[in-house]
Amino acid sequence: QSALTQPPSASGSPGQSVTISCTGTSSDVGGYNYVSWYQQHPGKAPKVIIYEVSLRPSGVPDRFSGSKSGNTASLTVSGLQAEDEADYYCSTYAGNNNYVFGTGTKVTVL
Amino acid sequence: QVYLAESGGGVVQPGRSLRLSCAASGLTFSDSAMHWVRQAPGKGLEWVAVISYDGNYKYYVDSVKGRFTISRDNSKNTVSLLMSNLRREDTAFYYCARYSPENWAFDYWGQGNLVTVSS
Repeated sequence: QSALTQPPSASGSPGQSVTISCTGTSSDVGGYNYVSWYQQHPGKAPKVIIYEVSLRPSGVPDRFSGSKSGNTASLTVSGLQAEDEADYYCSTYAGNNNYVFGTGTKVTVL
Repeated sequence: QVYLAESGGGVVQPGRSLRLSCAASGLTFSDSAMHWVRQAPGKGLEWVAVISYDGNYKYYVDSVKGRFTISRDNSKNTVSLLMSNLRREDTAFYYCARYSPENWAFDYWGQGNLVTVSS
C-alpha cells in the first residue's frame, strides 16, 4: 500500500490559515470516512487532532477542521499560533485490514 | 489516564532479532485492537502491524510480513513485536498505539522506542 500524498511543507503568519491536502485513492481516502489527522512536535509521539474526517477529540481547539472531497482530505488550521508549528500526518483505514499514513507536512509559523 | 510504555529497543546487527514490548494501563486493554507504527529518523509514519483485541487476527504491512510477529497477553496488558531477520531499513522509532473502535483513529500512543539496525 502506498503512502497518502501530502505537500512537504506549508506556512503562514500568526492569525492566518493554512490548509494541508491528503490525496489517496478510491480504495483508501475515497473509500472510507475514517480519515484522521495527527500533530507531531519534535521528539514527541503523534497526537490525534481530527478523526472520522471532520470530528475533533475533546480538548482540540476548534481552529483545527477537516474535510474530504473524493479521494482528497484536507486539514485547515485557522488563526495560526506559534504552538501549531509541527508535523502533520493524515491517515486512514485502507481496507483488507491495512492502514496507511500520509507522507507528512511540516507547518511553519512565520 | 492512559499510558503506553514501550521497551526493548536498542542496537542490533542485520539479520538478528529483537523483541519490543508495550505495557498498557488506564484503558480496557482486552477490548482494544493494538498496533505498531514506526518512524525512521527524520521520516514519516508507517503503519506496521495490528492485532485484534483477542489476539485471533494479526495483519502486517507487506515489508515486514514473514519477519515480524505481533502478539499480546491480555492478562498482563502487554503487546509485543518480535522482529526477526532485521534489515537496515527497519531502523526507526517504534510506537505502540491503540486504535479506537469508536473514533476510527489512533487515540493513544506510546512514547516511541528506537531500534537501530547496524553492524
